[in-house]
Amino acid sequence: EVQLVESGGGLVQPGRSLRLSCAASGFTSDDFDIHWVRQTPQKGLEWVSRISWKSGNVLYADSVKGRFTISRDNAKYSFYLQMDSLRVEDTAFYYCAKDGSDRALHFWGQGTLVAVSS
Amino acid sequence: EIVLTQSPGTLSLSPGERATLSCRASQSVSTISLAWYQQKPGQAPRLLISASYTRATGIPDRFSGSGSGTDFTLTISRLEPEDFAVYYCHQYDRTPPYTFGRGTKLEI
Repeated sequence: EVQLVESGGGLVQPGRSLRLSCAASGFTSDDFDIHWVRQTPQKGLEWVSRISWKSGNVLYADSVKGRFTISRDNAKYSFYLQMDSLRVEDTAFYYCAKDGSDRALHFWGQGTLVAVSS
Repeated sequence: EIVLTQSPGTLSLSPGERATLSCRASQSVSTISLAWYQQKPGQAPRLLISASYTRATGIPDRFSGSGSGTDFTLTISRLEPEDFAVYYCHQYDRTPPYTFGRGTKLEI
């Protein structure tokens, strides 16, 4: 059974950094992408970033490009979202999600809350 | 960026009734790149439909997806009490940004 568990959320001041982790288990294939998606009541669901498990290729939404870095640790089956220069508008619930062969987001973690406030 | 507009914003129905939820894209989306998710309070989204009409594992056959181009539909044939939730469409066509609709709240 695929499981994704996020951690690392919390309250942080604007301009500071935070690193989210996503611990994965139960994968049976090595050809997939891990995505970070965030959610707020105001903006709804917003895709943030994606990393390929196999190639390490990464993509970012324009709203986080240059501030966020997605990475993976193949040995630990873990994924990370390093968030620098945080802004109030980055406040959201952050989910990691795994895609299927059809590229839809088949599995989601339970999410972790990031609050950026002074 | 492809904008997805979902309608209605809120749909009030009763158990046993049929629900029809719409998702309209600002430009054409490949049918293999459109998904629907269900989200209940305090939970993560759950995949219902991928590639416009393919039910995800374990999803009952009362859920069906259809559509092409810019117009897609999620239909729930006979509502069960556990179906009352928020539903989102999602496109993952071509290159990012992948986008989501703002959701349709299905309420009793």
